[in-house]
Amino acid sequence: AQSVTQPDIHITVSEGASLELRCNYSYGATPYLFWYVQSPGQGLQLLLKYFSGDTLVQGIKGFEAEFKRSQSSFNLRKPSVHWSDAAEYFCAVVYGNKLVFGAGTILRVKS
Amino acid sequence: GAVVSQHPSRVICKSGTSVKIECRSLDFQATTMFWYRQFPKKSLMLMATSNEGSKATYEQGVEKDKFLINHASLTLSTLTVTSAHPEDSSFYICSASPLAGAYEQYFGPGTRLTVT
Repeated sequence: AQSVTQPDIHITVSEGASLELRCNYSYGATPYLFWYVQSPGQGLQLLLKYFSGDTLVQGIKGFEAEFKRSQSSFNLRKPSVHWSDAAEYFCAVVYGNKLVFGAGTILRVKS
Repeated sequence: GAVVSQHPSRVICKSGTSVKIECRSLDFQATTMFWYRQFPKKSLMLMATSNEGSKATYEQGVEKDKFLINHASLTLSTLTVTSAHPEDSSFYICSASPLAGAYEQYFGPGTRLTVT
């Protein structure tokens, strides 16, 4: 079955520390991959996306993600987290005509 | 660019009544609009996909008679929750795409529905 897995429900990092949020997907062909961020009670904002080409993708707010076909992964990274990054992060994959989301990872930032 | 609005942002209604949520693409024409439902502390679940001028395509398990979707123009889609019940309380998010397909979606800010 088509699925997107975000194994970490919650992650807490210190402000200034590096961050990596994990995402794995099940798909046979080259996937269309996305990372979104959602602040409480808000809609989703696109951080970055991968369709093809360079497997290291740069996004907004200093985020980047790397597509690794061999691991079926698309992990999100940021070298130095800011308190304003505290939010929920969703990985998503296009399957057919649908965007399928992972369960989300809640990021907490401690000062 | 690519701004999507939703109205209202919050609504409280009594059980048995109907409520309409609007989704508008403000600066582009939306060939396709999507409606999602998000339960507390859960991910987004696609409810239906609509294309302007045609009937919406509902996901399995979504009652089409309960969740009426109209995509009357290239900038407006509405979701009407008919005969709402407390279990319909949720966060509803729409998205719009200038393309036919799911590759480029711009999300609205969401509507919090509470049914009492």
